[in-house]
Amino acid sequence: EVQLVESGGGLVQPGGSLRLSCSASGFSFSNYDMNWVRQAPGKGLEWISYIRDSGSTIYYADSVKGRFSISRDNAKNSLYLQMDSLRAEDTAVYFCARDGVRSGTYPTFEYWGQGVLVTVSS
Amino acid sequence: AIQMTQSPSSLSASVGDRVTMTCRASQGIGNDLGWYQQKPGKAPKLLIYGSSSLQSGVPSRFSGSGSGTDFTLTISSLQPEDFATYYCLQDYNYPRMFGQGTKVEIK
Repeated sequence: EVQLVESGGGLVQPGGSLRLSCSASGFSFSNYDMNWVRQAPGKGLEWISYIRDSGSTIYYADSVKGRFSISRDNAKNSLYLQMDSLRAEDTAVYFCARDGVRSGTYPTFEYWGQGVLVTVSS
Repeated sequence: AIQMTQSPSSLSASVGDRVTMTCRASQGIGNDLGWYQQKPGKAPKLLIYGSSSLQSGVPSRFSGSGSGTDFTLTISSLQPEDFATYYCLQDYNYPRMFGQGTKVEIK
C-alpha cells in the first residue's frame, strides 16, 4: 500500500524557516517524481514544487521561487521542502503528492499524503 | 502560465442526478488534464487523468472528456458520497495549475 506521511509543520513567525518532510512507503520511491501542493484555509489547491525521480529536474511556482527549496533522499525514501522567509500568505496545509509512472499518458498527483498545517503568524 | 477556469463555482443537485462541470484552459493543453475530488479535511483524490482515463478504483459513474481548451467532468448518477469539491488540473507544462474548484452541494 502506497503511503505518504508529512511532518514538520507548525507555527512559525513571519520571516522564519521550517522544513517539511514526507516519508514514503509501499513503493519504490526512487522511481517516482514527487510534488508539494498546498491549500490555504478555505481556498483552492496550489501546486508549489516538483522534483524528478533522480532529483535532476526541479520546478517551483512563482509564489515560492527563491524562498522554498525541494529536495529528496532516495536512500531514506524521503521528500523535503525547506521553507525560508515565510510570509503570512504561506499559511496552508501542505501535501506531498506522487506522480504516476512517467510513461505515455500517466497520472499526475496519483497519491497524496494527509497534509501538514503550516501557520505563519506573530 | 496556463490559467484554468472552472464553471460553475458551485452547484446544487440531488442524489441520482446527472451532473456536469467544465474546465477551460487559457491555451491548448491537448489531453493533459486531470480531475480531483476533495472532501472537507481530506487530501484530494485523483478521479480522471489524460482527460478521459478513469483512475483505478474510481466508480464508472465518473467520466471525463474534452481536448485542447475545453474539458468536462460528468457524474452520471450522483451518489451521497459524491458531494465534494472538484478540481481540474493542467499537467501539460509547469507551473501546474488547478482550477478554482466546483463545489457540489446537496439540493
